[in-house]
Amino acid sequence: AQRVTQPEKLLSVFKGAPVELKCNYSYSGSPELFWYVQYSRQRLQLLLRHISRESIKGFTADLNKGETSFHLKKPFAQEEDSAMYYCALFFGGSYIPTFGRGTSLIVHP
Amino acid sequence: NAGVTQTPKFQVLKTGQSMTLQCAQDMNHEYMSWYRQDPGMGLRLIHYSVGAGITDQGEVPNGYNVSRSTTEDFPLRLLSAAPSQTSVYFCASSGRGFSQPQHFGDGTRLSIL
Repeated sequence: AQRVTQPEKLLSVFKGAPVELKCNYSYSGSPELFWYVQYSRQRLQLLLRHISRESIKGFTADLNKGETSFHLKKPFAQEEDSAMYYCALFFGGSYIPTFGRGTSLIVHP
Repeated sequence: NAGVTQTPKFQVLKTGQSMTLQCAQDMNHEYMSWYRQDPGMGLRLIHYSVGAGITDQGEVPNGYNVSRSTTEDFPLRLLSAAPSQTSVYFCASSGRGFSQPQHFGDGTRLSIL
């Protein structure tokens, strides 16, 4: 079955520590993957997509087809990174993405 | 551009009442969708539309109706509210073509007593 899995509901780190939010997918085709972020009481917004290979707010994500993963990484977490992060995947021929269950990141001072 | 606008922002209903959550976008987007966001469950797709007059069910459609009479508007109707429908509801839109980024509204926080 086609699936997006974010195994951690909550990730808690201290400021300055590295962060990795995991996203695994189950899909045999060529995936189109995104990360969205939702800051407290705000709307979800696009953080980055894998085809752009950008670094946004210090975050990067690399598609690993062998491990079917698209983990989000940042070398040094900041308090303002505290938010809910969602991984999203478009399966072949779909117009609407499938979202993972989200990971809540808390960065302590 | 306002983007995606949802109204109301907050609503409290009694069990059995009906109501409509409004969603409008001014980006001329073809695709629109409704999600509900619950703790530990993430975002779950309720209904979606790929154009005016075309709608389809998502993962959790029961108890909800939608229609898409114009490109701009995509209202979500709760037919007979139940406490299990207490949630935060997000509307999203995206442009034509595969794998387009979603643009979200601010959400509607709905409580059913």
